[in-house]
Amino acid sequence: GENVEQHPSTLSVQEGDSAVIKCTYSDSASNYFPWYKQELGKRPQLIIDIRSNVGEKKDQRIAVTLNKTAKHFSLHITETQPEDSAVYFCAASRRGGAGGTSYGKLTFGQGTILTVHP
Amino acid sequence: EAGVAQSPRYKIIEKRQSVAFWCNPISGHATLYWYQQILGQGPKLLIQFQNNGVVDDSQLPKDRFSAERLKGVDSTLKIQPAKLEDSAVYLCASSFQNTEAFFGQGTRLTVV
Repeated sequence: GENVEQHPSTLSVQEGDSAVIKCTYSDSASNYFPWYKQELGKRPQLIIDIRSNVGEKKDQRIAVTLNKTAKHFSLHITETQPEDSAVYFCAASRRGGAGGTSYGKLTFGQGTILTVHP
Repeated sequence: EAGVAQSPRYKIIEKRQSVAFWCNPISGHATLYWYQQILGQGPKLLIQFQNNGVVDDSQLPKDRFSAERLKGVDSTLKIQPAKLEDSAVYLCASSFQNTEAFFGQGTRLTVV
């Protein structure tokens, strides 16, 4: 099955700095890579996702890059703000084709606790 | 649009007791998932339903966990008997065809 490794486990930055979280995956058939933000005691919420036919995607201060050859993808947050403080999870899934089902059948990384200091 | 509803929010039980969690997915979402999130870890898929049929339950500990989605809408997840290591947040999620998964608030289970 799929295995997703996420680093670092904790990340502390000053407000305004950039933050980068990296993930690697093992199943070359995975083709969907979402990132979820989970605040303390709350539900995971999708912040950005990327499909395997795209190398990079950006949404305001958040960007995700994907290297299919190396099987790794990264989350980049620029101009960090205190409200960005949360746990961030990367995930991978295989959509469509033999054995593929839907975007919600996810294998998650272990999570990164991001703290943005004012 | 209403989100995924789960109840109860919190539950404390003694080991060897049984417990049940309920999930109401977003209206129209045919696919429903139950995830287990142990403190400090990422969610782990337990079971996936497509309408009222099980698609994947390979990671469900079937000796003690069971789940059903009889009418293809609401779902219940049961643990019987509970063990200390079952302490976790149980997240329900739903999705519609090619859309992302939307998560509920979860049920935090503490087994003492």
